[in-house]
Parts: sequence; structure tokens; C-alpha cells
Amino acid sequence: AQSVTQLGSHVSVSEGALVLLRCNYSSSVPPYLFWYVQYPNQGLQLLLKYTSAATLVKGINGFEAEFKKSETSFHLTKPSAHMSDAAEYFCAVMETGANSKLTFGKGITLSVRP
Amino acid sequence: DTGVSQNPRHKITKRGQNVTFRCDPISEHNRLYWYRQTLGQGPEFLTYFQNEAQLEKSRLLSDRFSAERPKGSFSTLEIQRTEQGDSAMYLCASSSLAGVQSLDQYFGPGTRLLVL
Repeated sequence: AQSVTQLGSHVSVSEGALVLLRCNYSSSVPPYLFWYVQYPNQGLQLLLKYTSAATLVKGINGFEAEFKKSETSFHLTKPSAHMSDAAEYFCAVMETGANSKLTFGKGITLSVRP
Repeated sequence: DTGVSQNPRHKITKRGQNVTFRCDPISEHNRLYWYRQTLGQGPEFLTYFQNEAQLEKSRLLSDRFSAERPKGSFSTLEIQRTEQGDSAMYLCASSSLAGVQSLDQYFGPGTRLLVL
């Protein structure tokens, strides 16, 4: 079975500071990994995904994530936070093969202080 | 590309009533998914379709829940005899069958259900 752990429910950073949102996964087979962002009253939007092509993945809005198999992690980073980054962020895993369902973590709310 | 649309956006109902939600996927997408999101949690998978075939159902989908996708286009999710525990945001997503692009699920804005 696959699962995702996002420790903590809320992260607060200052505008211009580094953003680091942690995600650890568990999967019995090599996984695909995703980060989604959800702005208030909007649907989830795909930020980036890992498909085994490269361990460092770049996404939209300046975000990137690094797949570390030894640590079973897929942390999301952005060098400089912007006020518009304030949202809820979800890490998700999908097992390779025919099964295409996403298993999400609980999500982390990112606040950006002026 | 108009994106995934869901109707209604909000639904308030009384316990015991039946409700039906509709999802219109992106037009060329063959796969359609339903998820449920409760407060403070991430979305949980309910079921998915490839064209008109329902290929997987979560154990979360009790016999009060039924989903259809006639003709492989829009989908409906019906909840019979609603319970207060059904209160949640119901999310629909779609994806294509084309290679790596099939991994990208595009989500609609959701239908928020409140059962009184």
C-alpha cells in the first residue's frame, strides 16, 4: 500500500525567505510523486511531478522538488517566497503500473508574512 | 480548453435525502476520477473511469454511493440516504491516456456538500 506523510499542518515564512515543505512517502513499487497547490475556493493545480526521468524536478511558479530514494522523500522548495504563494500544498503518490489513483498527504498550509 | 467543471458548486441537504453531482471533464480526456476531501485532510480516492468503464472503486464508496459515466463523457456521483458524515468537498479530475500526460490529473473546483 502507498502512503504520504506531510509533517506539520502549517508553515509560515517571510516574503523572500526559503520555502521548504516536507513530504515522505511509502510505496511497495517505484512511485510517481506529485505536488499540488490549492488556492482558496479553487481546484487543485499540479505544481510538478517526478516520473523517474530526473531526481530534481522543476515546476511552475519557481518551485522545485528533489526525489531522494534513500530517504523516501520528495521535499518541495522555492528559493524566495512571494505573497502569492500562500495556499495549501499537497504531496501525492501514484504507484507505477495500471493503477492511476493518487494518494494524498494531509496537506500543509503555507503563510507568507510581509 | 475550459477545464474540468462541476455542478453544483454547493449543496445543502437534509439527512436522508438523495443528492447527485455532475462532472464535465476536459473534452479529450478518457479518464475521470472522483475524490472526497474532508476538512483538514487531503483528497481521498473514491472511483475512476476509463471511458465509460468504472475500473476501480474505493472501499470508502459504500453501497449508498453510485457513479456513472454514460457514453464516456460527463459523470455523475449520486449519494442516497445522505448522512452527516457525507459532508465534504467532492472533487472530480480528468486525465488523458497519452503516455506521460496520463499522469497529470486536472481537478475541477469541487462540489461542497453539507448534510444537516
